[in-house]
Amino acid sequence: GAVVSQHPSRVICKSGTSVKIECRSLDFQATTMFWYRQFPKQSLMLMATSNEGSKATYEQGVEKDKFLINHASLTLSTLTVTSAHPEDSSFYICSARRDRGLRTGELFFGEGSRLTVL
Amino acid sequence: GQQLNQSPQSMFIQEGEDVSMNCTSSSIFNTWLWYKQDPGEGPVLLIALYKAGELTSNGRLTAQFGITRKDSFLNISASIPSDVGIYFCAGPRVNAGNMLTFGGGTRLMVKP
Repeated sequence: GAVVSQHPSRVICKSGTSVKIECRSLDFQATTMFWYRQFPKQSLMLMATSNEGSKATYEQGVEKDKFLINHASLTLSTLTVTSAHPEDSSFYICSARRDRGLRTGELFFGEGSRLTVL
Repeated sequence: GQQLNQSPQSMFIQEGEDVSMNCTSSSIFNTWLWYKQDPGEGPVLLIALYKAGELTSNGRLTAQFGITRKDSFLNISASIPSDVGIYFCAGPRVNAGNMLTFGGGTRLMVKP
């Protein structure tokens, strides 16, 4: 089956530092990947759509300079939280859509990354 | 916009009982997806539905795509403790590059 791997699963950092989270599709190519943020006991909130070879598309209210997205290859997208602050602490989840195959509408999710900013 | 209303928000049941949850929308969806999320993990796809009226099973799970294309339900039969988690319905937004819209989730708790 389709596998998406996310790293790191947990990260603790000091306020003001930057943190990079990687999302990889392990057994399929994904031109498009998505980044979500999830607060405790809430649903997933789409932050941005990552497009290989072009700029990411951000949802309304999401600061593009704060959350830098780079989709350098067909299997890798990265999210960098710049100058992190405690309010950025959250569970970040990526997902990828298979480029080819019968069920291209399905999204496969990474394991999530829990960011804690002290 | 396209929103998914999922109910119930939470359920606390006895092991062995059957569970039913549903999602409704004021807009038509061409695909319905059901995911389960364990604590501290990403969502895992359980069932995908692509045709109105489609009824699909995956072990003890059964999901149906409503005829009107505005609703879907997920049933879990003979629940077990490992069914604990949050269940989300989701559907690709129309004319939005297949970005998913998620329901609010149903938190399931199973008492042994």
